[in-house]
Amino acid sequence: EPEVTQTPSHQVTQMGQEVILRCVPISNHLYFYWYRQILGQKVEFLVSFYNNEISEKSEIFDDQFSVERPDGSNFTLKIRSTKLEDSAMYFCASSDSDRIRAEAFFGQGTRLTVV
Amino acid sequence: DAKTTQPPSMDCAEGRAANLPCNHSTISGNEYVYWYRQIHSQGPQYIIHGLKNNETNEMASLIITEDRKSSTLILPHATLRDTAVYYCIVPRQAGTALIFGKGTTLSVSS
Repeated sequence: EPEVTQTPSHQVTQMGQEVILRCVPISNHLYFYWYRQILGQKVEFLVSFYNNEISEKSEIFDDQFSVERPDGSNFTLKIRSTKLEDSAMYFCASSDSDRIRAEAFFGQGTRLTVV
Repeated sequence: DAKTTQPPSMDCAEGRAANLPCNHSTISGNEYVYWYRQIHSQGPQYIIHGLKNNETNEMASLIITEDRKSSTLILPHATLRDTAVYYCIVPRQAGTALIFGKGTTLSVSS
């Protein structure tokens, strides 16, 4: 069964450093998303991406965040200058349809620890 | 998203049916009801969705009331591996992202 792949599974970084989280969506999917989940809290929407541009973003997704689809397979989330409060699980998701876009497939996540 | 209300937690004995309710009284006529679950910090997993009619797949059944103001997700024979947080989501329109609430924590015990 096709799946969304995220790398690395765990990343530790120092406060103020830049991190890039990588995702390989399902190959025929066109809609891509990033979510995060702080330990013990709910899953929070960050951004959605379609046709090489951001289609929707939340208040969390400020200027410190950016997304990119650098080639035909990868979808990345960059955090420019990490803060302690950026420590969370980050989930990538993809879907193939706008009409039933909510049927999204999620990766297993990257655990980001900022020290 | 249309507001949904779910109980914070439920318990179920292994092998029994788990019935998870969701209230979505402000749902509009063309909005779907989606169910996802998250097993212990793994990525959320799609379960099922429906509009008006009851739906069934290999994972679960979805019963939507005639007025569409509430629905019930049914896991017919719950196993220990069904222990998870279950989310009922009504996206406000096609093309918008899923917004997760707190969901219902289902604990299945032997």
